[in-house]
Amino acid sequence: QITLKESGPMLVKPTQTLTLTCTFSGFSLSTSAVGVAWIRQPPGKALEWLALIYGSDDKRYSSGLRSRLSITKNTSKNHVVLTMTNMDPVDTGTYYCAHWVPQQQLDYWGQGTLITVSS
Amino acid sequence: SYELTQPPSVSVSPGQTARITCSGDALPKRYAYWYQQKSGQAPVLLIYEDSERPSGIPERFSGSTSGTMATLTISGAQVDDEADYYCYSTDSGTTPAFGGGTKLTVL
Repeated sequence: QITLKESGPMLVKPTQTLTLTCTFSGFSLSTSAVGVAWIRQPPGKALEWLALIYGSDDKRYSSGLRSRLSITKNTSKNHVVLTMTNMDPVDTGTYYCAHWVPQQQLDYWGQGTLITVSS
Repeated sequence: SYELTQPPSVSVSPGQTARITCSGDALPKRYAYWYQQKSGQAPVLLIYEDSERPSGIPERFSGSTSGTMATLTISGAQVDDEADYYCYSTDSGTTPAFGGGTKLTVL
């Protein structure tokens, strides 16, 4: 059974760096055929794809946020970490991590964690 | 960046067929995926590779594509199907994209 869970601070101040951890179970992030992605959703708005790390350690980033994002993995701990620099109130929203495979893409999602950016 | 366009809302009566569309220039050569998101919950994969259903997804949910448009069809819509629906696709060299979402009302 595949499960994922996001964790991180509920509140960050503008200009700070956000660090989110996705802890997963039920799969191994050790081949290029598996990945973990991050997606966010501002309140009342649409989903936005942020980043993806493959088990091979290849990475993809949103073209619009590339300069602010970093995604890493710790295979032994079953963790994926997303950092986003220079946070702004417009970055407020729910951040999800999801299991990725080539055929079904984002097939299992975490419950999401709400991040508020405010001074 | 790659854009997918959905109608903001669709409304049907219980038992009717709901159709939600998604248009994108790359859809003729790229797969479409559909997600259901109920209020306060994480998205759930409904359809992958245009028309495939994951295990556990009811048969009343189906997907199809024609040219630059993908369609999610809900046959015999139920009140429990009220949710936001998002299409998703990728295009070579661009950021994967979600559509703007469609709010389905069943009443």
